[in-house]
Amino acid sequence: GEDVEQSLFLSVREGDSSVINCTYTDSSSTYLYWYKQEPGAGLQLLTYIFSNMDMKQDQRLTVLLNKKDKHLSLRIADTQTGDSAIYFCAEKDNAGNNRKLIWGLGTSLAVNP
Amino acid sequence: EAGVVQSPRYKIIEKKQPVAFWCNPISGHNTLYWYRQNLGQGPELLIRYENEEAVDDSQLPKDRFSAERLKGVDSTLKIQPAELGDSAVYLCASSFWEGVETYEQYFGPGTRLTVT
Repeated sequence: GEDVEQSLFLSVREGDSSVINCTYTDSSSTYLYWYKQEPGAGLQLLTYIFSNMDMKQDQRLTVLLNKKDKHLSLRIADTQTGDSAIYFCAEKDNAGNNRKLIWGLGTSLAVNP
Repeated sequence: EAGVVQSPRYKIIEKKQPVAFWCNPISGHNTLYWYRQNLGQGPELLIRYENEEAVDDSQLPKDRFSAERLKGVDSTLKIQPAELGDSAVYLCASSFWEGVETYEQYFGPGTRLTVT
């Protein structure tokens, strides 16, 4: 079945760039997403990318998609302490009429001052 | 615009007791999701509603879990009786579907359930 994998932890210094990586298995995925979860809070959609795109940039966030390798990355420029959170990668489940997402386990980003 | 509202935010109960969670989605959103999130895990879909119809409840443990979405707006998720393994955060999310969608889901803050 479909699977989404992420590294579990990432630690960076404030001001550096963070790169969070994700791999997925469903080559027919049309949408891929990055969600952010701060402690004690629900998940917040950060950005998404459609499969016919290679890159999407939104202020400090850059999403890169390599469809050949089924690899998605999220780059956060000038990482701040407020960026400390868990980042989830998710892909749209294309099976049948499912309107649901397949989630990774999340990458915990720690930003050190 | 108000976001997804959930209550209570925290609940501590003894095993074998019943518990209920409530969710009010974003106004106008026709799709509602209940997820369970265990510590260190991603969200696990329990049930998805389109309006008032449950269209995907394949992951809902039906022996003890039930859900309803009367009138296609608010929803409640119930566990009876609760077990120790039910301790988790229960997240509600909503989205709007109109033929073509980006699957943007908006999440509530969740209810943290502790079963002792």
